[in-house]
Amino acid sequence: EAGVTQFPSHSVIEKGQTVTLRCDPISGHDNLYWYRRVMGKEIKFLLHFVKESKQDESGMPNNRFLAERTGGTYSTLKVQPAELEDSGVYFCASSQDWAVDNSPLHFGNGTRLTVT
Amino acid sequence: AQSVTQLDSHVSVSEGTPVLLRCNYSSSYSPSLFWYVQHPNKGLQLLLKYTSAATLVKGINGFEAEFKKSETSFHLTKPSAHMSDAAEYFCVVSVKTWSSNTGKLIFGQGTTLQVKP
Repeated sequence: EAGVTQFPSHSVIEKGQTVTLRCDPISGHDNLYWYRRVMGKEIKFLLHFVKESKQDESGMPNNRFLAERTGGTYSTLKVQPAELEDSGVYFCASSQDWAVDNSPLHFGNGTRLTVT
Repeated sequence: AQSVTQLDSHVSVSEGTPVLLRCNYSSSYSPSLFWYVQHPNKGLQLLLKYTSAATLVKGINGFEAEFKKSETSFHLTKPSAHMSDAAEYFCVVSVKTWSSNTGKLIFGQGTTLQVKP
């Protein structure tokens, strides 16, 4: 089966611009997660979709970040306007089941975002 | 609240020698614990998981970890390091909600494993 796919792999933008990251989960996985690793910090949870619904968005840093999952398939994460501190690696993960004991997360390769 | 602490940011071993990557956890509940590995320019790959069954957990590529409740530890070991083991390793705990351990994960700071020839 195809894994979790993220696009682009790298993005370099200027402060104030807009960037949209895309994640294609494993087919049939209802649960989709976004995580982020800012330079020198831990990987941190951003949000969790179950199908097209946001189940938990407690990790979203501020209202410059907008995540969508229309139709419950792929997801996008838009940053508008981007700030320097948004630089980092954005990971997407998916799982079949809500309970991670039964269904561990499968991660994509990440999108490395650099804001200059 | 749950948390994990990886005790070493960098570990260096010689090829063929044992590997020990240390992790301590904090949890009010019986935790679900994981080790993930990230090779350069790759995604996070699950090495192994502990979900309250056997305390000694075997994973892929010869890695194993032992859950020790008395020490609140979940150290990762491998008897003999291989060059291909060089990567960054993450100890992870799942946030528990109601009766389930969720996909909302809390990551440790990561340990970079260097393997010298």
